[in-house]
Amino acid sequence: SQQGEEDPQALSIQEGENATMNCSYKTSINNLQWYRQNSGRGLVHLILIRSNEREKHSGRLRVTLDTSKKSSSLLITASRAADTASYFCATDAGTSYDKVIFGPGTSLSVIP
Amino acid sequence: GAGVSQSPSNKVTEKGKDVELRCDPISGHTALYWYRQRLGQGLEFLIYFQGNSAPDKSGLPSDRFSAERTGESVSTLTIQRTQQEDSAVYLCASSSPIAGGGETQYFGPGTRLLVL
Repeated sequence: SQQGEEDPQALSIQEGENATMNCSYKTSINNLQWYRQNSGRGLVHLILIRSNEREKHSGRLRVTLDTSKKSSSLLITASRAADTASYFCATDAGTSYDKVIFGPGTSLSVIP
Repeated sequence: GAGVSQSPSNKVTEKGKDVELRCDPISGHTALYWYRQRLGQGLEFLIYFQGNSAPDKSGLPSDRFSAERTGESVSTLTIQRTQQEDSAVYLCASSSPIAGGGETQYFGPGTRLLVL
C-alpha cells in the first residue's frame, strides 16, 4: 500500500496562478521529499523537509509539513508553462534504512 | 559517472521472452532502487539494495522478476517469460545515505519496455 498519497490527481491552471498540491501519509516519517517528473523523463528532486520542520522555501516553491495531520503541501507560485509536469511526494518508511516510498503523483498542467 | 544511466533506453520484446535491464548508479552511491511506472501512473517500488545488506524485494510483483547488484555498482533487473502487463517504464535510482536520512535519489532516464 502507498505510504504517500497526493491530491488532486490532476490540476489545470492558467499561467501566473499558484498551484497547490497535497500529500498525505500513513506512518511516522523522518523526512518528506517532493520530486518532479517532466513527460517521458526521469524524476528530479525538488525539496526535502524534515519532520522537525514546518515550512521550507526554495525559489517559487513552498513546502509545508504538518506531522499531526500527516500531511504536506507543495505550493508553486506564479506558475509557468514549464512547470507542467507530474509531482510526487516521497516519504521514508521510518525504518532504519530509510527506504523511500513514492505516492501516485499529481499531474499539473499550466496553460499559457 | 555524471549520473545514473540505464540501458537499453527502449526494449520491444515478444510475450514469453526474457529481458534484462541494466542500471549503472552514480559512483559511490550505496543505495539503489528499481521502480516500475505504467503509463500515466505513479512509481511502483520493486526492489531496494543498500550496501551489503540483504535486498528488500518486497515490491517484486511475481517470481518472474529478479534483480541483482554486484557490490555497490551495476544492477540488473531480469523479467522472465514477459507478459503484456509488464509493459512499462522501469526506472532506476541511486542515493548516498546521509545522517538523518532523506537522501536525494538520482534517477536514470528509464528503460521503456513494450511486450507485444
